Amino acid sequence: EVQLVESGGGLVQPGESLRLSCAASGFFFNTYWMNWVRQAPGRGLEWVANINPDGNAERYVDSVRGRFTISRDNTENSLLLQMNSLRAEDTAVYYCAAFGVEGNVWGKGTTVIVSS
Amino acid sequence: DVVMTQSPLSLPVTLGQSASISCRSSQSLVYSNGDTALNWFQQRPGQSPRRLIHGVSNRDSGVPDRFSGSGSGTDFTLKISRVEAEDVGVYYCMQHTHWPHTFGQGTKLEIK
Repeated sequence: EVQLVESGGGLVQPGESLRLSCAASGFFFNTYWMNWVRQAPGRGLEWVANINPDGNAERYVDSVRGRFTISRDNTENSLLLQMNSLRAEDTAVYYCAAFGVEGNVWGKGTTVIVSS
Repeated sequence: DVVMTQSPLSLPVTLGQSASISCRSSQSLVYSNGDTALNWFQQRPGQSPRRLIHGVSNRDSGVPDRFSGSGSGTDFTLKISRVEAEDVGVYYCMQHTHWPHTFGQGTKLEIK
């Protein structure tokens, strides 16, 4: 079955860190650009970061650059998002998503709440 | 950043009628090679998004042919023919020509 499964979300205080994981199965993970997309409560979609199939090129939205790091392990078919110095405005459901010409796959999301 | 502006933001539609959503970008989305990186996504209530259209007009696998995309440059349209109850949800355009990738605000389609 083609799927992405996120984990690692939770409730943290401002300034703390979280590490999100995304496990891929059922498709050629190492051929897809992998993305993190977030959705704040009641809001629209926001692209956060992505990484190329080889894992040697990363891009970020300005609001997370320098605080978040995206990485991937093609031997384990996994995607990571290390989130440091979290802020209240980072509160959202974080989706792992694979985009390619052949198709796209989305996970169900993991919830991150940043609150004191 | 490239701003993606959708209209309308709310779209009440009668079952069986057609619906159209506009998406305008603040910059041209045409690559130097002539390709245009404009996608449309659907998010049904309580579900994850899914892509419907990539490259302006290419339907993803499994997407009904009632959905069609068109446009060029900075103006794009998603058309849904013969709206069905399962089409209820929020529709987003997204560009990935420029960094950072950006989504439109979303258009909420509901049945009248």
